[in-house]
Amino acid sequence: DTAVSQTPKYLVTQMGNDKSIKCEQNLGHDTMYWYKQDSKKFLKIMFSYNNKELIINETVPNRFSPKSPDKAHLNLHINSLELGDSAVYFCASRDWTSTDTQYFGPGTRLTVL
Amino acid sequence: GDSVTQMEGPVTLSEEAFLTINCTYTATGYPSLFWYVQYPGEGLQLLLKATKADDKGSNKGFEATYRKETTSFHLEKGSVQVSDSAVYFCALYLQGGSEKLVFGKGTKLTVNP
Repeated sequence: DTAVSQTPKYLVTQMGNDKSIKCEQNLGHDTMYWYKQDSKKFLKIMFSYNNKELIINETVPNRFSPKSPDKAHLNLHINSLELGDSAVYFCASRDWTSTDTQYFGPGTRLTVL
Repeated sequence: GDSVTQMEGPVTLSEEAFLTINCTYTATGYPSLFWYVQYPGEGLQLLLKATKADDKGSNKGFEATYRKETTSFHLEKGSVQVSDSAVYFCALYLQGGSEKLVFGKGTKLTVNP
């Protein structure tokens, strides 16, 4: 009965590859987010979708492309991976109208070699 | 822009010691304030929150009071346990503003037996 789940938990890949991280929430929320946590634990928002529409797009390289096939899913595709993309990526969700509390997934640790 | 400043870590305490982690914020309006906790190898969990001035959030023995006059939301616990070892993040959310959670840099707490 996991609320926000991400796959995979760990991802190790070579520079230049393309990879995807998937996120699903079963909370019935209408808003989902992607965050990046660097090696110093600093958390920064990357994207936010509300009802499948992009509402926040921080200054993220366009190698990163979020895709929301439906309200319960927000996937992150990364092209031409670089060493600096190594980080932990967290998905989160929220019910836009009823609360400002976000619920986080367990994270995906991406290592680019 | 909106920002959160929290005390640099790491913080190391003995079991049953008193804990304070300072957090101050800058925002153009009246944000909601949060403390999230990240246990080793896990995602973030909401620890407590406060939505208006003088509100006190509390959970698991932790407390924080929303102080508008000092723009602060310091986290306290009277007697820490080894199981409290984690990274603690202060965050703000401003509805009608940037519509995103803004995090502090996190404070790592280690509690020794």
